Amino acid sequence: EIVLTQSPGTLSLSPGERATLSCRPSQSVNSGFLAWYQQKPGQAPRLLISAASIRATGIPDRFSGSGSGTDFTLTISRLEPEDVAVYYCQQYLTSPYTFGQGTKLEIK
Amino acid sequence: QVQLQESGPGLVKPSETLSLTCTVSGASVSSSYCYWTWVRQPPGKGLEWIGDIQHTGNTNYSPSLKSRLTISLDAPKNQFSLNLNSVTAADSAVYYCACSGNYWGQGALVTVSS
Repeated sequence: EIVLTQSPGTLSLSPGERATLSCRPSQSVNSGFLAWYQQKPGQAPRLLISAASIRATGIPDRFSGSGSGTDFTLTISRLEPEDVAVYYCQQYLTSPYTFGQGTKLEIK
Repeated sequence: QVQLQESGPGLVKPSETLSLTCTVSGASVSSSYCYWTWVRQPPGKGLEWIGDIQHTGNTNYSPSLKSRLTISLDAPKNQFSLNLNSVTAADSAVYYCACSGNYWGQGALVTVSS
């Protein structure tokens, strides 16, 4: 089973700042079979990024994904108050398609 | 636009079977469009992938749940289902159905309690 480790656990930033979220798989996730999700309180997760770097339909270009192998990053370039959420990464290379434990993003 | 809706009992007794159904619109469960997926989230905790089923009927299950889990398709009703037997309080969670990761249901809270 591939374990995904996300860091930091909590990130507190001001509007307009840049957020950098990390996801590190315990084994190489080849071909970028990695997704990022945003989950706001009381809501279902929403797909942000698939294949490590492809934005889902309707996702603002403030959100970008990068990385390969055992080191992936979600970047939010200019934080807005509506970005308050928990962000999860998920690998879908090998079953079970595990999630990271999440990074909670707070806006100061 | 694919839409999914979970349905089933909100309260299940310990040792009994948790059964949920996901009704799909905007896509056919008989197509290869998605892996029809179940994910759960215990209160205040993170997401846990449960398993999925393809249009062929092939399934993938979480190893930690495999001995208690069945995911199945009902093509005529355009639904897929989850059955988890011998439940305990640790199985209390919001259960989501999803079309791979692209589309999600709103979630169904299931509490295991006597």
